[in-house]
Amino acid sequence: EVQLLESGGGLVQPGGSLRLSCEASGFTFSSYAMSWVRQAPGKGLEWVSGIASSGGTTYYSDSVKGRFTISRDNSKNTLYLQMNSLRAEETAVYYCAKGGGIIAAELNLWGQGTLVTVSS
Amino acid sequence: DIQMTQSPSSLSASVGDRVTITCRASQSISSYLNWYQQKPGKAPKLLIYAASTLQSGVPSRFSVSGSGTDFALTITTLQPEDFATYYCQQSYSTPLTFGQGTKVEIK
Repeated sequence: EVQLLESGGGLVQPGGSLRLSCEASGFTFSSYAMSWVRQAPGKGLEWVSGIASSGGTTYYSDSVKGRFTISRDNSKNTLYLQMNSLRAEETAVYYCAKGGGIIAAELNLWGQGTLVTVSS
Repeated sequence: DIQMTQSPSSLSASVGDRVTITCRASQSISSYLNWYQQKPGKAPKLLIYAASTLQSGVPSRFSVSGSGTDFALTITTLQPEDFATYYCQQSYSTPLTFGQGTKVEIK
């Protein structure tokens, strides 16, 4: 079955860190760019970061640049998002999503999401 | 960054109605425009990509138009399963950006 499965969400204090994982199955993970998209409670979708299929190119939204790091391990079919210096306003469901051959593409497969709560 | 503006933010409609959602980009994005449907508590689902290509399995009552900066998603005969929130997204350049969403509610 073609799917993405996120994990690693939870409760973290402001200023804390968390690492999200996204395990892919059912497709050739190493052939596709991947992205992280978040959605605060009751709000819209916000693209956070993207990574090329090889892992050699990464992009970040201005709001997370310098604090978040996206990476991937193609041997493990897994995408990661290391989040540091978390802020309360970053409480959201974080989705991983499969792109096309490049980062700037439609997101044609989404995981179920993992909830990150930043609160003291 | 390219700003995406959807309208309306919400609408109420009845089963069988025709509804149209518009999406405007702050600069030309050619046909690099995608549409997603999201139901409460679920992940978004890609409906249409490259401005006009329906994702596999998407019913033909969904149609699209536009290029450049102005786009529209039309649902010709609204079905109960179409009540959801719809987002446009540009894939012309990074950062990828989404419209604020249009919630289609039952009248």
